[in-house]
Amino acid sequence: QKEVEQNSGPLSVPEGAIASLNCTYSDRVSQSFFWYRQYSGKSPELIMSIYSNGDKEDGRFTAQLNKASQYVSLLIRDSQPSDSATYLCAVTGNQFYFGTGTSLTVIP
Amino acid sequence: SAVISQKPSRDICQRGTSLTIQCQVDSQVTMMFWYRQQPGQSLTLIATANQGSEATYESGFVIDKFPISRPNLTFSTLTVSNMSPEDSSIYLCSVDAQGSEQYFGPGTRLTVT
Repeated sequence: QKEVEQNSGPLSVPEGAIASLNCTYSDRVSQSFFWYRQYSGKSPELIMSIYSNGDKEDGRFTAQLNKASQYVSLLIRDSQPSDSATYLCAVTGNQFYFGTGTSLTVIP
Repeated sequence: SAVISQKPSRDICQRGTSLTIQCQVDSQVTMMFWYRQQPGQSLTLIATANQGSEATYESGFVIDKFPISRPNLTFSTLTVSNMSPEDSSIYLCSVDAQGSEQYFGPGTRLTVT
């Protein structure tokens, strides 16, 4: 079983819609959770971190964490074509574990 | 966040040769990491570069193939030794700058012919 699992997609949403990206993790003692955005040919960029259950909002981005269900998600409101990228979920346990990423395309 | 630079940004190398990749951070950091990302794949941790001691390698990666140096708290190098086409990849360094958050350098795109 992988430490972090994501739907690889691709996920396509129209411009202005809400994009929902999901991630599950296997280690119950995981403490920190992150979302990275990676444009093609670029390195990952940290966009959200969340450490406690509930929602955390930053601009158009909302991270949601449910430790009981071992589930973390990222919502992108008012999606823009510039949001088209691969989104990587990462979780810290004994080390930093990355998911395989979800490819998002926002259609103008 | 930390500002991280890597050199070279890309290189094309012949099989059997070695390439050393440099990673420089603009502030002192405790933890530095080296990752590999093959086309269309996620990140694979190669090793953790420890200042003042040997690097800690992940399963499947060995020091003879990927020697790492960490002479101080702002700098590290990764060498890819005796390269083969299977080593063609993007190599990324990252730092643990604020608690458990990791920040990545721009990467080195390596092609082995």
